Amino acid sequence: EVQLVESGGGLVQPGGSLRLSCAASGFSFSSYAMTWVRQAPGKGLEWVSVISGGGGSTYDADSVKGRFTISRDNSKNTLYLQMNSLRAEDTAVYYCAKSRCSTSCYTFDYWGQGSLVTVSS
Amino acid sequence: EIVLTQSPDTLSLSPGERATLSCRASQSVSSSYLAWYQQKPGQAPRLLIYGASSRATGIPDRFSGSGSGTDFTLTISRLEPEDFAVYYCQQFGSSPKITFGQGTRLEIK
Repeated sequence: EVQLVESGGGLVQPGGSLRLSCAASGFSFSSYAMTWVRQAPGKGLEWVSVISGGGGSTYDADSVKGRFTISRDNSKNTLYLQMNSLRAEDTAVYYCAKSRCSTSCYTFDYWGQGSLVTVSS
Repeated sequence: EIVLTQSPDTLSLSPGERATLSCRASQSVSSSYLAWYQQKPGQAPRLLIYGASSRATGIPDRFSGSGSGTDFTLTISRLEPEDFAVYYCQQFGSSPKITFGQGTRLEIK
C-alpha cells in the first residue's frame, strides 16, 4: 500500500525557515517524480515544486523560486521541502504527492495527508 | 504560463442528476497532460481522470472526461451523495509548468 506521511509543519515567524519531510512507502520511490502542492486556508490548489525520480531535475513555481528548495533522499525514501524567507502568504497546508507514472508524467495519484505551515508573528 | 479557468464556480444539483464541469485553458494543452481531481473537506485531493479521459484506479465509471485543445469536460453521469465536493483540473506543460484550475464546488441542491 502506498503511503505518504508529511511532517515538519508548524508556526514560524515571517522571514524564518522550515523544512518539511515526506516519508514514502509501498512503491519504488526512486522511480517516480514527486511534488509539493499547497493550499492556503479556504483557497484552491497551488503547485509549488517537483523533482525527478533521480533527483537531478527540479522545477519550482515562480512564487517560491529562490526561497524554497525541493530535494529527496532515495536511500531514505524521503522527500523534502526547505522553505526559507517565509512570508505570510506562504501559510497553507502543504501536500506531497507521487507522480502517476515513471517517465515525464506530472499527474499525481497518491497524496499525503498534508502538513500545516503558518507564517505569523 | 497556461491558465486554467473552470466553470461554473459553484454547481448546485440533486443526487441522481448529471453534472457537467468545464475547464478551459488559455492556450492549447496536450490531452495527455490534463487531469481532474476531487477534494472533500479536510482531505487530500484524489486523482479521478488523467490523460483527459482515462479513469484512475478505483474510480467509478459514472465519472468520465473528455475534450481536447483548450476545452475539457468532467461529467458525472448520476450524482451519488459522496460526489459532492470540489473538483480541480490540472495540466502540465514543458519545463514542466504545472497549473491547477481554481476549482468548481459541486453542492447539493
